[in-house]
Amino acid sequence: NAGVTQTPKFRVLKTGQSMTLLCAQDMNHEYMYWYRQDPGMGLRLIHYSVGEGTTAKGEVPDGYNVSRLKKQNFLLGLESAAPSQTSVYFCASRRGYTEAFFGQGTRLTVV
Amino acid sequence: AQTVTQSQPEMSVQEAETVTLSCTYDTSESNYYLFWYKQPPSRQMILVIRQEAYKQQNATENRFSVNFQKAAKSFSLKISDSQLGDTAMYFCAFMRASSGDKLTFGTGTRLAVRP
Repeated sequence: NAGVTQTPKFRVLKTGQSMTLLCAQDMNHEYMYWYRQDPGMGLRLIHYSVGEGTTAKGEVPDGYNVSRLKKQNFLLGLESAAPSQTSVYFCASRRGYTEAFFGQGTRLTVV
Repeated sequence: AQTVTQSQPEMSVQEAETVTLSCTYDTSESNYYLFWYKQPPSRQMILVIRQEAYKQQNATENRFSVNFQKAAKSFSLKISDSQLGDTAMYFCAFMRASSGDKLTFGTGTRLAVRP
């Protein structure tokens, strides 16, 4: 019963390095989301996808790119990491008008 | 754009007592969904309760219930018989009832249950 799985769970990057966060869901959900969580700011939407091959910008998209080549996977990329991108990142998915299911989060530190 | 406001950054309650967490939202939509999520120290986001705006009856899930006031755009969460395991961050979230829409979250309320 995997649900939504995020890889990796923790990562430390140096400023300017790049990385990709992987989100995989096995529930055949159409919609997938990437959020970042910062103290006192709740969860803010970075990018989202309403289906395979589609992506859209959320509230805080700058500095991030995404791709959804397969329905079950949603990738979040940081091309040149900055300290301001230190955060906890959550992936979520849902189907229809159901609630969203979340991954366990990725704690990213950019030094 | 929709906004969700949680005006209580932190709250504390004695074990076995009742506590109410507040949430207000702003929208011009008539049909939407509201959620409360719990985030314990494990960091996992867990759905607590869900409310459809077209339903007048308040949702309940065991010790958790909501007071949904559509005209006032208010969606509070009541936790009865608080338990130590209820200690967590609680987020209120809004979603329009339109295809492909996303969840908009409040800033959260940190609840501590005292033994």
